[in-house]
Amino acid sequence: AQSVAQPEDQVNVAEGNPLTVKCTYSVSGNPYLFWYVQYPNRGLQFLLKYITGDNLVKGSYGFEAEFNKSQTSFHLKKPSALVSDSALYFCAVRDMEGLTGGGNKLTFGTGTQLKVEL
Amino acid sequence: DAGVTQSPTHLIKTRGQHVTLRCSPISGHKSVSWYQQVLGQGPQFIFQYYEKEERGRGNFPDRFSARQFPNYSSELNVNALLLGDSALYLCASSLGDYQPQHFGDGTRLSIL
Repeated sequence: AQSVAQPEDQVNVAEGNPLTVKCTYSVSGNPYLFWYVQYPNRGLQFLLKYITGDNLVKGSYGFEAEFNKSQTSFHLKKPSALVSDSALYFCAVRDMEGLTGGGNKLTFGTGTQLKVEL
Repeated sequence: DAGVTQSPTHLIKTRGQHVTLRCSPISGHKSVSWYQQVLGQGPQFIFQYYEKEERGRGNFPDRFSARQFPNYSSELNVNALLLGDSALYLCASSLGDYQPQHFGDGTRLSIL
């Protein structure tokens, strides 16, 4: 089965500093990876995806992610954090297990709470 | 364009009751998926439907069922509710298999 791991429950960073939220993956075949953000009492918002191509993926709100095949990682980054970036971040992988005729099922990590402080 | 809409936003039920949750996908999206998110965890896949056919089911008991209508909206039904069914239920729609899923704000289900 496909899986992703987010090793940090919480990341704290000062506003203006760069931020990194870590994700590692375990897949058979080509990985299709995603990052989502969740604000309190809201659903998940799509940030970016890696399907194929450049290892540096640019997404919404100034976020980017670096795909590293040798390290099986897909870390989320932002050059300068904002207080408004404080939220819960999820890494996810497209998982075909148990699906028939194609399908679009995501398996999520446990989430990383990002706290950006003044 | 409107995003994914879910109703109701909150629901309180007692053990043994049943519940129906509803989802309207983004216009043009034919795929709808349902996820359960328990507090403090990532979302867990329940079902996916595409063009009204079930594409997959997650590791959930038969008390959970769903369907998709000709207008691509969807319902999730849960029978014989248990305390452990308390969660945020998220619906997501997408254009296709390799496209991002777009989530609604969910239905918060509380079981007393």
